[in-house]
Amino acid sequence: DTEVTQTPKHLVMGMTNKKSLKCEQHMGHRAMYWYKQKAKKPPELMFVYSYEKLSINESVPSRFSPECPNSSLLNLHLHALQPEDSALYLCASSRRGEETQYFGPGTRLLVL
Amino acid sequence: SQQGEEDPQALSIQEGENATMNCSYKTSINNLQWYRQNSGRGLVHLILIRSNEREKHSGRLRVTLDTSKKSSSLLITASRAADTASYFCATAPGGGNKLTFGTGTQLKVEL
Repeated sequence: DTEVTQTPKHLVMGMTNKKSLKCEQHMGHRAMYWYKQKAKKPPELMFVYSYEKLSINESVPSRFSPECPNSSLLNLHLHALQPEDSALYLCASSRRGEETQYFGPGTRLLVL
Repeated sequence: SQQGEEDPQALSIQEGENATMNCSYKTSINNLQWYRQNSGRGLVHLILIRSNEREKHSGRLRVTLDTSKKSSSLLITASRAADTASYFCATAPGGGNKLTFGTGTQLKVEL
């Protein structure tokens, strides 16, 4: 299995909702990432997990809560989001010691 | 904050022509990567060039790196309609796995 999968593909949520984004890889990669991408902009790093531990948090608001239950799975829990949080959320993974990252297809989130 | 600026922002060419896009970055790097993104989907890694390399080839792709000018270029030869996508350079200032992407070039290849 050489891909990163993300579910759901699309998500519409209200500002009072709680939802979760899921990311999975079975390539044995030990680093996993969440990025946020607004339209016509580059991806911006949000979080990095290394060996299931949070190693980088790019000052992301607490309404975004990451979780890494095991080495193959990465979740992003969403609560009380704002309309400006609407974006494409990308997950990626990489092998230990390697710079190349493998991206999932993303979840397109719309906050109403 | 963005590490890299890319130009042009957008490029439209005919199939069969070559496409060149440029990336400038601000701090010292160990390597520079190029990624492709098709219309709002995930990114695909194209090529990585290390700071001690000046040029690298992969199929129809040619990447150059000039560390003295802090710039890189990506050349796609004999372009095809399927090359239509956004192209991003990416660096990890200070090393590690914290990637910072350039502003991107939107390439459109017309039949």
